Amino acid sequence: DQQVKQNSPSLSVQEGRISILNCDYTNSMFDYFLWYKKYPAEGPTFLISISSIKDKNEDGRFTVFLNKSAKHLSLHIVPSQPGDSAVYFCAATELMNYGGSQGNLIFGKGTKLSVKP
Amino acid sequence: DTAVSQTPKYLVTQMGNDKSIKCEQNLGHDTMYWYKQDSKKFLKIMFSYNNKELIINETVPNRFSPKSPDKAHLNLHINSLELGDSAVYFCASSQDAVGRGELFFGEGSRLTVL
Repeated sequence: DQQVKQNSPSLSVQEGRISILNCDYTNSMFDYFLWYKKYPAEGPTFLISISSIKDKNEDGRFTVFLNKSAKHLSLHIVPSQPGDSAVYFCAATELMNYGGSQGNLIFGKGTKLSVKP
Repeated sequence: DTAVSQTPKYLVTQMGNDKSIKCEQNLGHDTMYWYKQDSKKFLKIMFSYNNKELIINETVPNRFSPKSPDKAHLNLHINSLELGDSAVYFCASSQDAVGRGELFFGEGSRLTVL
């Protein structure tokens, strides 16, 4: 039973255009969401996160949007660059009472983004 | 200088053997993890340790035994390897209590069981 779903296994975008990666979740207890980026033969690296009390978080070219009622989040990359080509994982967790996480992240299967020059 | 390093990166072995994967982090983090990425590409948590104490133990066969000699190291020992154990195993660490899941991952150890 997949609690975090990334229904698009791949996405191809032209350099300079916007990349939109989507993620859906089913567990209403999730209250913190993260995006990780992974290059081949490397481990995932943290990209950006969002708390459930917000609906948007922006960091440079990367913006994450959260729609709690739809249990949906998306990652926007503008403008897309060839170096952004990687697999992007959406992850979710439930924060503990102290405000932190036990690190039990539930990951989606990832979306492979290809940015063409 | 790699923040989270794991060895070996590649491991090919026969069914029934016992093998270990080592992990070290130099970030001063309190918590370390083992995640498994299976053939379907799902990344799933196996274990987490906080200051050498086990805090998460997902449904993993007891052939898998993590060992944390100190908070900078978390090794994974696997007994009686099976074909289904073939996967990429990722070690990770985080600054507990402050962190919210921003895990730092190692490069992964690809285990192939023949």
